[in-house]
Amino acid sequence: DIQLTHSPSFLSASVGDRVTITCRASQDISSYLAWFQQEPGKAPKLLIYAASTLQSGVPSRFSGSGSGTEFTLTISSLQPEDFATYFCQQVKSYPFTFGPGTKVDIK
Amino acid sequence: DVQLVESGGGLVQPGESLRLSCATSEFTFSAYGMNWVRQGPGKGLEWVAYISSGGRTIFYADSVKGRFTLSRDNRKGSLYLQMNSLRADDTAVYYCARSFFFADTPYYSDYWGQGTLVTVSS
Repeated sequence: DIQLTHSPSFLSASVGDRVTITCRASQDISSYLAWFQQEPGKAPKLLIYAASTLQSGVPSRFSGSGSGTEFTLTISSLQPEDFATYFCQQVKSYPFTFGPGTKVDIK
Repeated sequence: DVQLVESGGGLVQPGESLRLSCATSEFTFSAYGMNWVRQGPGKGLEWVAYISSGGRTIFYADSVKGRFTLSRDNRKGSLYLQMNSLRADDTAVYYCARSFFFADTPYYSDYWGQGTLVTVSS
């Protein structure tokens, strides 16, 4: 199975900050990676797919990059509604594993 | 708007069974693959199973293989997860999620339901 790891696992930031989250895969997954945002008690929301394609309706302050084994999610200017947990998921091969998540909290 | 509504969760004892349903609307259900994803209390997301649009391709996570059965009824626009021999570590919120095709893969998930809670405890 393909394992995904996040760094950091927890991040404290302020409104307006630029935030970068890294997701690493245990083997080459090309660009078969998605990013999700999850607020407490809510379903995950798709932000990015194919490593860098912004899902319709997602603000342009979110961007994704990377391929192979290392990927990043960047929020260019953190907004109050962005405080949440972020997960990556690989869809290169099943089981379609998720990373453990990065929680973004208010500093 | 696309709607996915899960139901069927509840409290059961270890070894018992439960059948989850996901009712969908506002999209052509028969054209999309579907997934179940679960999240244990205070834990991360765990992909559980996938079924292709026509139902011919089904994948399961090793943790549920042989115990869970995924099916769909394209005439009703509904997805089902039959869960047998339930264990305490199956306790989770279960989400159904729609898959979509992009580039050369049909496995990205865009729309998710609100989830249904399954608790396995004696």
